[in-house]
Amino acid sequence: QARLVESGGGVVQPGRSLRLSCAASGFTFSNSVMHWVRQAPGKGLEWLSSSSFDGKTQYYADSVRGRFTISRSNSRRVLSLQMDSLRLEDSGLYYCAKDPSHTDPNHLDFWGRGTLLTVSS
Amino acid sequence: SYVLTQPPSVSVAPGQPAKITCGANGIGSQTVHWYQQKAGEAPGVVIYSNENRPSGISERFSASNAGNTATLTISRVEAGDEADYYCQLWDRNLGHVVFGGGTKLTVL
Repeated sequence: QARLVESGGGVVQPGRSLRLSCAASGFTFSNSVMHWVRQAPGKGLEWLSSSSFDGKTQYYADSVRGRFTISRSNSRRVLSLQMDSLRLEDSGLYYCAKDPSHTDPNHLDFWGRGTLLTVSS
Repeated sequence: SYVLTQPPSVSVAPGQPAKITCGANGIGSQTVHWYQQKAGEAPGVVIYSNENRPSGISERFSASNAGNTATLTISRVEAGDEADYYCQLWDRNLGHVVFGGGTKLTVL
């Protein structure tokens, strides 16, 4: 049974940095594309970034490109999201999700429960 | 680039069918997936690759995709189907995962 547990959320001031982590178990992490998706309070889903199985290819939404960096450690089964230059509008619940695909994103077939980020002065 | 347009809300009486649309130019040439998100929960996929149901998803959920519209259909809606529903595709040209804005399904 797949399990994804996000951590690292909290309250941070605008302009600061934060690193989110997602611990994976119950599936072959090293074979899976992985994603970060966020949801602002009361709003819809916003895709942020995806990583190929080996971490060599990354994809980013325009809203976070140049500020956020996705990475992964297949040996530790951890997906990370380094978030720099945080803005008020980055606040929300951040989900980690797995994809059955090996290289290109396809669909998000299992989601974690999310970690909450609040950007506030 | 694809902008996926969904109606903000759909209301249906129990036992009746519900149709939720996801519109974009030429979406029929793309592979579309659908997610259900109940209040306070993480999303879960209910349809993948246009028409496939994951194991454990009721046969009442089906979908189609042609032309400029993808459609999720829930036959014989139940109170437990009340949720937000999102369509999604992979825009290969832009290298973006794209979600629709979401549709809140209310069971009357």
